[in-house]
Amino acid sequence: GAGVSQSPSNKVTEKGKDVELRCDPISGHTALYWYRQRLGQGLEFLIYFQGNSAPDKSGLPSDRFSAERTGESVSTLTIQRTQQEDSAVYLCASSYRQDQPQHFGDGTRLSIL
Amino acid sequence: AQSVTQLGSHVSVSEGALVLLRCNYSSSVPPYLFWYVQYPNQGLQLLLKYTSAATLVKGINGFEAEFKKSETSFHLTKPSAHMSDAAEYFCAVSGNTPLVFGKGTRLSVIA
Repeated sequence: GAGVSQSPSNKVTEKGKDVELRCDPISGHTALYWYRQRLGQGLEFLIYFQGNSAPDKSGLPSDRFSAERTGESVSTLTIQRTQQEDSAVYLCASSYRQDQPQHFGDGTRLSIL
Repeated sequence: AQSVTQLGSHVSVSEGALVLLRCNYSSSVPPYLFWYVQYPNQGLQLLLKYTSAATLVKGINGFEAEFKKSETSFHLTKPSAHMSDAAEYFCAVSGNTPLVFGKGTRLSVIA
């Protein structure tokens, strides 16, 4: 497909488990972004990749959160020892360049029981 | 550094009425400005963008926005609201950095 793809679309897990969320950006987009969106809230910036390096990790809420990216391709966001407050929609976006429009996936809805 | 303020977390209009969603920005460099729309259970979709060409920008679904440098504003308008316009709207700004998003405005359309 031509758009940003995220998987899984929904994830339900027990408190304390680790989860891994995946994002496939649009081909050719060098910049990739992760956001968190709690119910009824705006976007909370988590991390930004330029290629496979992360110039800005300032939004990661704790050391339980980490992300990596392979080249200018797939990125994974990992949350270890999940807590109930981690329940949210995690959105991924990519762009051709950091100051250009971001194209969003439909998100992964994470529910922690 | 850039920042965005969206005035009003919730706006309600009648079907057929004018839609006006307000956005003010702050930027230390000439900005690029964007409006996104988010429908329930979906990601954000680009409505329109300003990139230093015409100050009046037309987007999808009949929306438009006007860049006013003197007022540091980029308000989103639509002459006649449709029920299908009910969604969350986000304003964003960038200079030479990644986009910075506002907190969003939820638009409700009343029949």
